[in-house]
Amino acid sequence: RKEVEQDPGPFNVPEGATVAFNCTYSNSASQSFFWYRQDCRKEPKLLMSVYSSGNEDGRFTAQLNRASQYISLLIRDSKLSDSATYLCVVNRRDSNYQLIWGAGTKLIIKP
Amino acid sequence: DTAVSQTPKYLVTQMGNDKSIKCEQNLGHDTMYWYKQDSKKFLKIMFSYNNKELIINETVPNRFSPKSPDKAHLNLHINSLELGDSAVYFCASSQWVAGTYNEQFFGPGTRLTVL
Repeated sequence: RKEVEQDPGPFNVPEGATVAFNCTYSNSASQSFFWYRQDCRKEPKLLMSVYSSGNEDGRFTAQLNRASQYISLLIRDSKLSDSATYLCVVNRRDSNYQLIWGAGTKLIIKP
Repeated sequence: DTAVSQTPKYLVTQMGNDKSIKCEQNLGHDTMYWYKQDSKKFLKIMFSYNNKELIINETVPNRFSPKSPDKAHLNLHINSLELGDSAVYFCASSQWVAGTYNEQFFGPGTRLTVL
């Protein structure tokens, strides 16, 4: 089992819709979780950290489910500019510096 | 101002050649990284330096040698390039704080093609 798994998609979603995708992780001792966004042929950029109690940033909501070992990202009122690949990132508990990256979920917002 | 810069942006070379990629960050961070992103889009850590000291050295062929002349620079030298080295190489930096993971800032990537 991969340490961090994501559905690669693509998710084709009409503009204005709500979309959600999950990411599962294998190390139950992981403590830090993030969503990064990567546009086509660009570098990854932090979208949001994921906190235990869940957190929201505008149209984006991140949740953590420790019991089932997954994190989720919900995007409301999707915009064309939300089209990107969303990367799930989890720390490797036995390393103070290392983050494990999922392969990403591709999201395409259609007009 | 560019926070994390890499040169060159594109690199096309023949098998067997030796090449270098340079990375510089002006964010004042103490930790820098090299990642490889292959055609399947997996982002895999290769190396990490904290205050010029190597702290992560994943299973990478010893043809790859990082060098950190100072905290703001982390270069990657690759000897005897192979076809499988073709990928996008990203440099990143962050500020290490014990017990936490701070945001990593990435450079624009170097697209390496080995012919």
